[in-house]
Amino acid sequence: DQQVKQNSPSLSVQEGRISILNCDYTNSMFDYFLWYKKYPAEGPTFLISISSIKDKNEDGRFTVFLNKSAKHLSLHIVPSQPGDSAVYFCAASVRNAGNMLTFGGGTRLMVKP
Amino acid sequence: GAVVSQHPSRVICKSGTSVKIECRSLDFQATTMFWYRQFPKQSLMLMATSNEGSKATYEQGVEKDKFLINHASLTLSTLTVTSAHPEDSSFYICSARMGTDTQYFGPGTRLTVL
Repeated sequence: DQQVKQNSPSLSVQEGRISILNCDYTNSMFDYFLWYKKYPAEGPTFLISISSIKDKNEDGRFTVFLNKSAKHLSLHIVPSQPGDSAVYFCAASVRNAGNMLTFGGGTRLMVKP
Repeated sequence: GAVVSQHPSRVICKSGTSVKIECRSLDFQATTMFWYRQFPKQSLMLMATSNEGSKATYEQGVEKDKFLINHASLTLSTLTVTSAHPEDSSFYICSARMGTDTQYFGPGTRLTVL
């Protein structure tokens, strides 16, 4: 039973355009969400997070949107750069229950020059 | 950002031997450290959670006697894969957390058991 799902295993975008990565969750107890970027044979790198009390958080080229009613979050990268090519994982946690992360399956983003 | 290191980055061992992997938080004190395993083209699976000075909490299906975790200090946790078998070959990643929110990940350790 996957509580966090990333339904698109891959996404290809032209350099300079917007990349939109999607994530859906089923556990309504989740109240903290994170996005990580991962290169092969490396550990994930933290990108951006959002608390359930917000619906948007922005950090430079990265913006995360949270739609609690739809149990959906998305990561927008604009403008996309070739160096953004990696696997992106969304993760969710329940803050007052140990805050363990539950990861989605990942989406491989390819940004073409 | 917070830096987490892992050592070794790669290890090859014979079946039946034990392998120790170290995870260190370099510029912060980690109240909690986590150990994950990643199979090829799959997501990260949490193996166990460890708090400094206490026993690790293992996820369902993870053998605590096979994957020994020691969290000796606020900056160091070790994972020992005992009596390793080829099916233990995987990419092992640790993470460390200060406070209650963001986990910062190490670079991972590729274990190959022959």
